[in-house]
Amino acid sequence: GAVVSQHPSWVICKSGTSVKIECRSLDFQATTMFWYRQFPKQSLMLMATSNEGSKATYEQGVEKDKFLINHASLTLSTLTVTSAHPEDSSFYICSASVTTNEKLFFGSGTQLSVL
Amino acid sequence: KQEVTQIPAALSVPEGENLVLNCSFTDSAIYNLQWFRQDPGKGLTSLLLIQSSQREQTSGRLNASLDKSSGRSTLYIAASQPGDSATYLCAVWDDKIIFGKGTRLHILP
Repeated sequence: GAVVSQHPSWVICKSGTSVKIECRSLDFQATTMFWYRQFPKQSLMLMATSNEGSKATYEQGVEKDKFLINHASLTLSTLTVTSAHPEDSSFYICSASVTTNEKLFFGSGTQLSVL
Repeated sequence: KQEVTQIPAALSVPEGENLVLNCSFTDSAIYNLQWFRQDPGKGLTSLLLIQSSQREQTSGRLNASLDKSSGRSTLYIAASQPGDSATYLCAVWDDKIIFGKGTRLHILP
C-alpha cells in the first residue's frame, strides 16, 4: 500500500517558538493532503485541506496565520505551528490521497507538547 | 450537517469471539465510507474503503457493510485476537471527510 511519512514523531518546544511538521507521500503523488489534530479521547478534527500549488482551505475556527500549510510539491506538505502555546499541544496527523474523495493514507502522527 | 456516531464507545470481548462495530451517519449523500484502526499514539491504518455504490468490502477477517439509505455501516471482525485491540474509527466523505469518535476495542486473552 501507499506510504505516507510524517516527521517528527514527537516534538517538545518552548512557548512562543514555531514548529514545522513534514508530511511526505513516498511512493505516489498526492494531489490532496489533509491535516488533522486530535486531543486525547477526542475524534480527529480536520484542520485544513491543501492541494498542490494552491492555498490551503482551512476549516472554520482554524487560524490560518497560526497554522501555516505549504503544499509545494506533489509529495510534500508542511504544517508550521507558529508561536506555539500550551493549548496547541496535541496530536497532529496528515493524510494524502491521489485525488479528492479517494482512499486516504495516513502519516504516523506528530505529538506536539508546548511547555 | 453530517454527523457520524459510533456505538459502542468501548467494547471488551474474549479472544476468539466474533464482534460487530457500528457506525451511523445522518446524511446519506456520501461518496464513500472508510474504516480505520488507531493504535495509541499512532497514526491511522486504513482497513476498508466502501464506495457509495458498494454494499460491502472484505479483507481477511474483516468485513464492512454499508447501507446508505439507513445511514449505517458495520465492521465485522471474525475470530478476534489480542492484536485487534485498538480504536476503530469510521469516516464518511461528503464535501469533506468527517470522523466518528471511535470504538475502543479490547480483546481479552
